[in-house]
Amino acid sequence: DAGITQSPRHKVTETGTPVTLRCHQTENHRYMYWYRQDPGHGLRLIHYSYGVKDTDKGEVSDGYSVSRSKTEDFLLTLESATSSQTSVYFCAISEETGNEKLFFGSGTQLSVL
Amino acid sequence: AQRVTQPEKLLSVFKGAPVELKCNYSYSGSPELFWYVQYSRQRLQLLLRHISRESIKGFTADLNKGETSFHLKKPFAQEEDSAMYYCALSGLGYQKVTFGTGTKLQVIP
Repeated sequence: DAGITQSPRHKVTETGTPVTLRCHQTENHRYMYWYRQDPGHGLRLIHYSYGVKDTDKGEVSDGYSVSRSKTEDFLLTLESATSSQTSVYFCAISEETGNEKLFFGSGTQLSVL
Repeated sequence: AQRVTQPEKLLSVFKGAPVELKCNYSYSGSPELFWYVQYSRQRLQLLLRHISRESIKGFTADLNKGETSFHLKKPFAQEEDSAMYYCALSGLGYQKVTFGTGTKLQVIP
């Protein structure tokens, strides 16, 4: 497995609280992605990064922000969590652009009550 | 806009039967197509890419630009093929990968 670690693995939080999920890679890959996985929707891209401090929105970016201050870390923040953000969140990395192979983390199960 | 459609949420087949997981796409340029698989309690991983034209674990997929399809096929299903399968698309040199909604394959012994 590629060196990707997501933390925490599980989190339960309350509506309105801020939440930060972390993705850490040891592969020195340029591209990093945050997806959410929901039944009936598959995987949907939230945000992605193409370098340090270079990020862009995906298809479901509302309510989420990201930061990448180092090559190895990509943080996803829910400023004020809502129940609709209950999901499984996956981080992925790729060496080049999206048409190369994506390597995925193990996922973070987030429950917003 | 790019879009990937997997019409079947669940596909159940008997062991030894042929498997075809359907994938249709919408993209105005030249697409890169992929199949990813998620086995129980494992990470999502790449199964195959159309550009490499390889067969992985007996699975193949052919890109049909006329029908905008990239169906995944295997002549004889095995129990260990039971998993969630996602079709995905990216444009050439494009940074975003769009996934379909996934098809759960259940191989019945």
